[in-house]
Amino acid sequence: AAGVIQSPRHLIKEKRETATLKCYPIPRHDTVYWYQQGPGQDPQFLISFYEKMQSDKGSIPDRFSAQQFSDYHSELNMSSLELGDSALYFCASMSRGGTEAFFGQGTRLTVV
Amino acid sequence: GIQVEQSPPDLILQEGANSTLRCNFSDSVNNLQWFHQNPWGQLINLFYIPSGTKQNGRLSATTVATERYSLLYISSSQTTDSGVYFCAVFPNYGQNFVFGPGTRLSVLP
Repeated sequence: AAGVIQSPRHLIKEKRETATLKCYPIPRHDTVYWYQQGPGQDPQFLISFYEKMQSDKGSIPDRFSAQQFSDYHSELNMSSLELGDSALYFCASMSRGGTEAFFGQGTRLTVV
Repeated sequence: GIQVEQSPPDLILQEGANSTLRCNFSDSVNNLQWFHQNPWGQLINLFYIPSGTKQNGRLSATTVATERYSLLYISSSQTTDSGVYFCAVFPNYGQNFVFGPGTRLSVLP
């Protein structure tokens, strides 16, 4: 069965650079969630999209932006990267009317 | 917002032992899921269990939604069970999943 695909799996950036993380949800899933997990922490909600519209926003820095495209894939754009942005970034997708979330394998971002 | 607690925070077992992990939540939920995060950081979906009991091999889970808790049972533990176990809930009046702080399990050979 198709799963949630995230790319890249690993990313190393320098401070003040920009990064773009991509998430491809399971086919026919119209809801996408983004989470950030710092070292030793539990995943924290960043932002979500339903039918290509932002549906909820968590503790996402102003330096980050995200969108969901017409094919339902989503991208998280991170600018002016800081050392503290080093983390695992997960996206999850959910079908319309569903309540079960399916998580991708995550992108490990390291800022040096 | 909803509060999610997990206990114990850390657990060390000998291979072959059984264990019970607990997740308490402070409000009504539409969904509860248990995840295992392996040493490589991958979140493995163990159970989708908003209520009732499910079993999958050596693992089983029970959620009593009316009493706002869920239990994850691991029997005959193996070293590959090591990692962090998270429960995540989707509140009835929320729009995203909230994770608990996790239980870090170490299974020794």
